[in-house]
Amino acid sequence: GQNIDQPTEMTATEGAIVQINCTYQTSGFNGLFWYQQHAGEAPTFLSYNVLDGLEEKGRFSSFLSRSKGYSYLLLKELQMKDSASYLCAVMDSNYQLIWGAGTKLIIKP
Amino acid sequence: GAGVSQSPRYKVAKRGQDVALRCDPISGHVSLFWYQQALGQGPEFLTYFQNEAQLDKSGLPSDRFFAERPEGSVSTLKIQRTQQEDSAVYLCASSLGDLAGGTGELFFGEGSRLTVL
Repeated sequence: GQNIDQPTEMTATEGAIVQINCTYQTSGFNGLFWYQQHAGEAPTFLSYNVLDGLEEKGRFSSFLSRSKGYSYLLLKELQMKDSASYLCAVMDSNYQLIWGAGTKLIIKP
Repeated sequence: GAGVSQSPRYKVAKRGQDVALRCDPISGHVSLFWYQQALGQGPEFLTYFQNEAQLDKSGLPSDRFFAERPEGSVSTLKIQRTQQEDSAVYLCASSLGDLAGGTGELFFGEGSRLTVL
């Protein structure tokens, strides 16, 4: 079966760095996405990785290792507004997105 | 419109009632998805349209669920004889091309929260 695993909840301090991991087992791979979702709001796109390596975009970076079925989202200089759920999703061989349950990130002052 | 619009934002239905949820995707977007999201969970795929064609409805949980996109733009998700387990947020998302043709970035609406009493 297809499976996306990510931690349920993480806590970090304002100004610090946090890494949210995602491991996946899917039928085929056509890219991995990270989305941010604030409570009661729609998910918004953060990043897309299809090749191995690190993609940096401002305070957010995303890493992919296809051989390990592993990705992480790195958030630097954390701000209170970064408190949200972070969803990992993999596009399978049918070009459908398989979603993880999300990681709830709590930022403390 | 500038983004994906869904209505109603909130719907309370009595068990057994039929409901219809509407999605207005971004103009010109080819792909349209419906997802069901339970509290604290990721979105669960329901169905996928490419223009007016429903290419995948494997995620629809029962034959009480029906979706259409007759003119390739606005879509409606209909749930007949609602049950309590249907209570969830129903998210609509659209994408510019078909997913094989690009990064597949999805633009989500804010969802319709359905509560079945």
